[in-house]
Amino acid sequence: AQSVTQLGSHVSVSEGALVLLRCNYSSSVPPYLFWYVQYPNQGLQLLLKYTTGATLVKGINGFEAEFKKSETSFHLTKPSAHMSDAAEYFCAVSENNNDMRFGAGTRLTVKP
Amino acid sequence: GAVVSQHPSWVICKSGTSVKIECRSLDFQATTMFWYRQFPKQSLMLMATSNEGSKATYEQGVEKDKFLINHASLTLSTLTVTSAHPEDSSFYICSARSTGGGFSPLHFGNGTRLTVT
Repeated sequence: AQSVTQLGSHVSVSEGALVLLRCNYSSSVPPYLFWYVQYPNQGLQLLLKYTTGATLVKGINGFEAEFKKSETSFHLTKPSAHMSDAAEYFCAVSENNNDMRFGAGTRLTVKP
Repeated sequence: GAVVSQHPSWVICKSGTSVKIECRSLDFQATTMFWYRQFPKQSLMLMATSNEGSKATYEQGVEKDKFLINHASLTLSTLTVTSAHPEDSSFYICSARSTGGGFSPLHFGNGTRLTVT
């Protein structure tokens, strides 16, 4: 069965600094990988996804993630943090396009 | 883009009563919908998979008689929390995947915050 581990429940960066949120996965088949963002008392919004093809995927709001099979990782990055990026971020994995399993989440704080 | 509407966004009920939460796919058809539960500062836990026209598939540890799921049409799934108790207070989120061929990501509703007093 698939699973996701997000390293760091809380990440704090200064505005303009690099954002790096870590995600490692476990899957018995080639996985589909996702990053979602959640603002308080709201549902999840898809940032980006990897299915097949190019391993570096670009998403909304300037985020991107790279699928590294050898490292079973799918870390999320953004070159320059903005105050509006403060939110909870979830990495997720899906096998064969079925149900999705989420990581524990990483709360991103952006300091002015 | 695909929109999933969840209603109500918040509800307060008394212990022992039942609460129904609706999840609708507004501009696409969804043969499968998923129900998640999220505790404060925690991740989403899959409760059940709702299949149109058939019984839902519940995750281990989720009481099917307490959390009734009905998926009567390709655009609507409902979750009813029966005889609610304070420990059922949580944030419930539904998601849906379109029926189109090929890969399609999950689209999430905005969640329902349930408070049982």
